[in-house]
Amino acid sequence: QKEVEQNSGPLSVPEGAIASLNCTYSDRGSQSFFWYRQYSGKSPELIMFIYSNGDKEDGRFTAQLNKASQYVSLLIRDSQPSDSATYLCAVPSYGKLTFGQGTILTVHP
Amino acid sequence: DAGVTQSPTHLIKTRGQHVTLRCSPISGHKSVSWYQQVLGQGPQFIFQYYEKEERGRGNFPDRFSARQFPNYSSELNVNALLLGDSALYLCASSLGNTGREQYFGPGTRLTVT
Repeated sequence: QKEVEQNSGPLSVPEGAIASLNCTYSDRGSQSFFWYRQYSGKSPELIMFIYSNGDKEDGRFTAQLNKASQYVSLLIRDSQPSDSATYLCAVPSYGKLTFGQGTILTVHP
Repeated sequence: DAGVTQSPTHLIKTRGQHVTLRCSPISGHKSVSWYQQVLGQGPQFIFQYYEKEERGRGNFPDRFSARQFPNYSSELNVNALLLGDSALYLCASSLGNTGREQYFGPGTRLTVT
């Protein structure tokens, strides 16, 4: 089992819809979780982080964490074509980040 | 404030050659980590340096080495390049050494022919 797993997609949603991106992790001791957005040909950009169970909202983004199920998700409300990118889930451990393979999101007009 | 900077942006090398990649962290950040990202995959951890000491090493061969300087900038060196070393090399900067909240530079695209 991989340490961090994501569905590679592609996930396609219409403009204005909610995009839901999911990530599971294997280490029950993980305490924090990060979401990065990566546009094609660019480097990853940190967009959200969450440390405790429940939801964390920042603008159109909501991160949800369920430690019992070892599951973290990212919701993007009112999706825009500019949200089209690869979304990477990352878990820190002993100074390093372990990434999932990323989910490709396409928002079509 | 300037973000993380990396140089060069792109590099083309031949198999067997050596390459040095450079990174400057965000001002005030003392930790630099290096990652390799191949197409279609998430970044893979190579090294972490904090306060000029190696604090972590990923599953990469000894051909990969790095160091951090007193001003917290860092170099990644790769010897005896292989075709499989072609990738985007990312430097990430963070305040402490716990791995939390790492901010990436623009990356160096290395092509080995």
